[in-house]
Amino acid sequence: LAKTTQPISMDSYEGQEVNITCSHNNIATNDYITWYQQFPSQGPRFIIQGYKTKVTNEVASLFIPADRKSSTLSLPRVSLSDTAVYYCLPPGQGGKLIFGQGTELSVKP
Amino acid sequence: GAVVSQHPSWVICKSGTSVKIECRSLDFQATTMFWYRQFPKQSLMLMATSNEGSKATYEQGVEKDKFLINHASLTLSTLTVTSAHPEDSSFYICSASGTSGDRDTEAFFGQGTRLTVV
Repeated sequence: LAKTTQPISMDSYEGQEVNITCSHNNIATNDYITWYQQFPSQGPRFIIQGYKTKVTNEVASLFIPADRKSSTLSLPRVSLSDTAVYYCLPPGQGGKLIFGQGTELSVKP
Repeated sequence: GAVVSQHPSWVICKSGTSVKIECRSLDFQATTMFWYRQFPKQSLMLMATSNEGSKATYEQGVEKDKFLINHASLTLSTLTVTSAHPEDSSFYICSASGTSGDRDTEAFFGQGTRLTVV
């Protein structure tokens, strides 16, 4: 099971672009990476998922280099409501996810 | 997307009593669900895997007799915290796996249950 490493915390200001990088050096060949967002006292929710290169949706972009040993979640023009904990995760066996510490993003006015 | 509903959202109980938390997959069938526990400022910790029609599989260090899991149907798993004590106070979250649209398998999480034992 691939182990992931993320910064524990990040600070940003409203309107800025935020990039959170996750290292997953031993990710398996067929593994994709999924990012989840968790607000206080809520369950995590899906943000974006990718296997390689770049994926973009209405919420974020995900960049995965060719060696796939890392991935970067990009949040454009963050707002106060983006303050949350962000987790990157490889797929668990049968959906069983093992969470790392995540990155606590704090967006300030 | 798929929806997982958890009930109740919060509960306060007296020490020594038991509390049941329900997790339902509303629009898909989930043969497997997962239960997590999260303490303040910490990440989610997997407690057990709930299997429909069979016994749950518990992670190391989780007391199966204290955290009873029942998965009697494809859409419902329950977690019962028996003889609860203040140290069981935590945020309990369930999840189920499925697919949504053209995405690969992803986990859908309930909204969580805040348990406070007094």
